[in-house]
Amino acid sequence: NAGVTQTPKFRVLKTGQSMTLLCAQDMNHEYMYWYRQDPGMGLRLIHYSVGEGTTAKGEVPDGYNVSRLKKQNFLLGLESAAPSQTSVYFCASSSGQGAYGYTFGSGTRLTVV
Amino acid sequence: AQSVTQLGSHVSVSEGALVLLRCNYSSSVPPYLFWYVQYPNQGLQLLLKYTSAATLVKGINGFEAEFKKSETSFHLTKPSAHMSDAAEYFCAVSEGSGTYKYIFGTGTRLKVLA
Repeated sequence: NAGVTQTPKFRVLKTGQSMTLLCAQDMNHEYMYWYRQDPGMGLRLIHYSVGEGTTAKGEVPDGYNVSRLKKQNFLLGLESAAPSQTSVYFCASSSGQGAYGYTFGSGTRLTVV
Repeated sequence: AQSVTQLGSHVSVSEGALVLLRCNYSSSVPPYLFWYVQYPNQGLQLLLKYTSAATLVKGINGFEAEFKKSETSFHLTKPSAHMSDAAEYFCAVSEGSGTYKYIFGTGTRLKVLA
């Protein structure tokens, strides 16, 4: 019962480097999300997708791009990493709107030096 | 715009004591409300949710929460704390059935003292 799988779990980047975080879900969920978690700020939505081939901006999209070429995968890209992007990143998925709730991955801890 | 406020970023209770974690929301329409728990170095797990059925909602691990519309609150309680309850707890709100984005509170870290 994999649920939502995020890779990698840890990563250290130098300022200006790029990377892609992968989120994969095996529950056939339509909706997928990327959040970042910072101390004292809770979870903030970066980007989300309401279906294969669709993406939309969340609360804090600057500096990130996403793609959802396959229903089960949602990729988060950092084109030129900055220290302000040091955070823990969580992917989540949901089967529907409103009352369904999210299933979260275990997170990726990213440090930009 | 909807928002969620969790009062107290850190709460300490003795083992066996009552746990009370506070959550207040603002929403222009009847909301869906959630509590999630995050154990160290793990993702968030759903504890319980309110979806306009019973106002008292029971969740996993002995937790429950009561939706009080007049107070715009959804506080989380557990009668007797256990050491394994030490974690961070997040309240979240979804504004009605037609939305698919949830707004999260800033979290409350629960410490259980032996």
